[in-house]
Amino acid sequence: EDQVTQSPEALRLQEGESSSLNCSYTVSGLRGLFWYRQDPGKGPEFLFTLYSAGEEKEKERLKATLTKKESFLHITAPKPEDSATYLCAVQIPQGAQKLVFGQGTRLTINP
Amino acid sequence: DAMVIQNPRYQVTQFGKPVTLSCSQTLNHNVMYWYQQKSSQAPKLLFHYYDKDFNNEADTPDNFQSRRPNTSFCFLDIRSPGLGDAAMYLCATSKQAGGGETQYFGPGTRLLVL
Repeated sequence: EDQVTQSPEALRLQEGESSSLNCSYTVSGLRGLFWYRQDPGKGPEFLFTLYSAGEEKEKERLKATLTKKESFLHITAPKPEDSATYLCAVQIPQGAQKLVFGQGTRLTINP
Repeated sequence: DAMVIQNPRYQVTQFGKPVTLSCSQTLNHNVMYWYQQKSSQAPKLLFHYYDKDFNNEADTPDNFQSRRPNTSFCFLDIRSPGLGDAAMYLCATSKQAGGGETQYFGPGTRLLVL
């Protein structure tokens, strides 16, 4: 069965304290791995797509990496405005781009 | 700016009273999706349209239906809402149905069932 597991469920950091969020997956035929940011009461906002092991993408304080079994979202020197839930999703070859989401990591950055 | 728009943002309905949620897009994407997201849970795909072709997920209840009258608009109809249908409903779009295409989400409609 295709599964996506994110850890930790929740993470509290002080402003400027760097850390990483983990997304581990077991899927047959990965088409892509996606990271989204979701603020309370809003829809997911697209951050990155990764397609193959070894690939890395960066945007401001965020950097996403991918191996054959997991992806990491590294956050460097976070600010309070980075507080959100970060969702990982994998695309599997079932229908038109079926996305299987993890439960998310709720990140809180304290000033 | 090109975007995915959902109306209304908040919808209150009564138990068993039909309700329709709306999604429109200015991205000119071929594929439109409906997801259900309950509190503190991951989004769950209900169904999608690739152009006019409707694709239902196997575990989507019959109570949920969808219509796509044209490229820009897609509707989610809940025929007889139950208390368990209270959730955030997310519309998403992607340009094509091939592998690796990014899905872009709207702001969501939060449905409350009384």
